[in-house]
Amino acid sequence: DGGITQSPKYLFRKEGQNVTLSCEQNLNHDAMYWYRQDPGQGLRLIYYSQIVNDFQKGDIAEGYSVSREKKESFPLTVTSAQKNPTAFYLCASSRIDGGYTFGSGTRLTVV
Amino acid sequence: GESVGLHLPTLSVQEGDNSIINCAYSNSASDYFIWYKQESGKGPQFIIDIRSNMDKRQGQRVTVLLNKTVKHLSLQIAATQPGDSAVYFCAETINQAGTALIFGKGTTLSVSS
Repeated sequence: DGGITQSPKYLFRKEGQNVTLSCEQNLNHDAMYWYRQDPGQGLRLIYYSQIVNDFQKGDIAEGYSVSREKKESFPLTVTSAQKNPTAFYLCASSRIDGGYTFGSGTRLTVV
Repeated sequence: GESVGLHLPTLSVQEGDNSIINCAYSNSASDYFIWYKQESGKGPQFIIDIRSNMDKRQGQRVTVLLNKTVKHLSLQIAATQPGDSAVYFCAETINQAGTALIFGKGTTLSVSS
């Protein structure tokens, strides 16, 4: 079955450490997105990519980086510059006609 | 059922009641709208969508209404069940290829038996 897979489900980061969250889709979707969700809040856009080797900043890109070397993969790196990284991170992908699919999320905690 | 004109962060209803959840969207150029249901610790689940050339769309037990004049969306859930308890979000976008969804504030729906 086609879908979008995020890993790991839970991730712990030490202060000053970079961590990378994985997002893989086998839906042949061109566009992919990363969102951050804080407790009791809506989803906020971090980065998105419409095609391979191209990506744009969203509303809260500071302290994050992404790459899009393959159509299927859109990893998100949370850098040490992100001062408050504890959150629930959601990856999504979409078709040209707008059909969006979300992953099951990665919960990142700073320890 | 309860009907409110403004966005409320929480809505509590009895099983069997009809629920109405409201959302105000921000961009008058948005032409595609989606309602999502999110359970704790999970990703958003698609409920129903509507394009700007429509005012109303119905699904199974759900109806979405769109008022472009005041930039307002509502989600109506008929005969609300305990399994409907979750957080509900509206999302908007300009339906061009690869355009990101912008999410509204969520409403937590609690259904009591």
